[in-house]
Amino acid sequence: NAGVTQTPKFQVLKTGQSMTLQCAQDMNHNSMYWYRQDPGMGLRLIYYSASEGTTDKGEVPNGYNVSRLNKREFSLRLESAAPSQTSVYFCASSQEGLAGYNEQFFGPGTRLTVL
Amino acid sequence: DAKTTQPNSMESNEEEPVHLPCNHSTISGTDYIHWYRQLPSQGPEYVIHGLTSNVNNRMASLAIAEDRKSSTLILHRATLRDAAVYYCMGRRGYGQNFVFGPGTRLSVLP
Repeated sequence: NAGVTQTPKFQVLKTGQSMTLQCAQDMNHNSMYWYRQDPGMGLRLIYYSASEGTTDKGEVPNGYNVSRLNKREFSLRLESAAPSQTSVYFCASSQEGLAGYNEQFFGPGTRLTVL
Repeated sequence: DAKTTQPNSMESNEEEPVHLPCNHSTISGTDYIHWYRQLPSQGPEYVIHGLTSNVNNRMASLAIAEDRKSSTLILHRATLRDAAVYYCMGRRGYGQNFVFGPGTRLSVLP
């Protein structure tokens, strides 16, 4: 099993450009997440998808859109990149258990720089 | 909403126990407390979780206060490979809107 995979690993954009970060998981998990981690900071949830066909906003959704393409794939789109979106982006997946038990499996991250 | 606070950094000598605290004073009575760690240049990895009682697994132990407003992650014998940032995690509101604490950077001295 590959677990959670993300593409690309690195990306440099100019202000105003758009791009889509891809994430896939092969663990048959229902839930998927996108987080961002700014230099020296903790993780902040951007969007999550509790199941195929549903998405919800997290703590910092502005400037992003997401698509839960199918059970395996969850993409994150930046329509008009800004320097403030320079960050490392992590995708994660989990299978919800009883009463909110939630072991999340994380991908290796995409390091994005916006000039 | 779950608001979590953690010390910014801690230091330990190799082979000694380490106690990493987290305050989660607003956690819901039915929410699990989760801990993750992040090694340099990697994504976070799950460490342990618990609800009301103390928990043990091969990586660590989790001690949960009786009022559930705080918890302590215990590494029984720190190794150099345990040097990482340790995060406790709670839930913000409802659903799967999870919030990570600010993290504690653990340094392990040989």
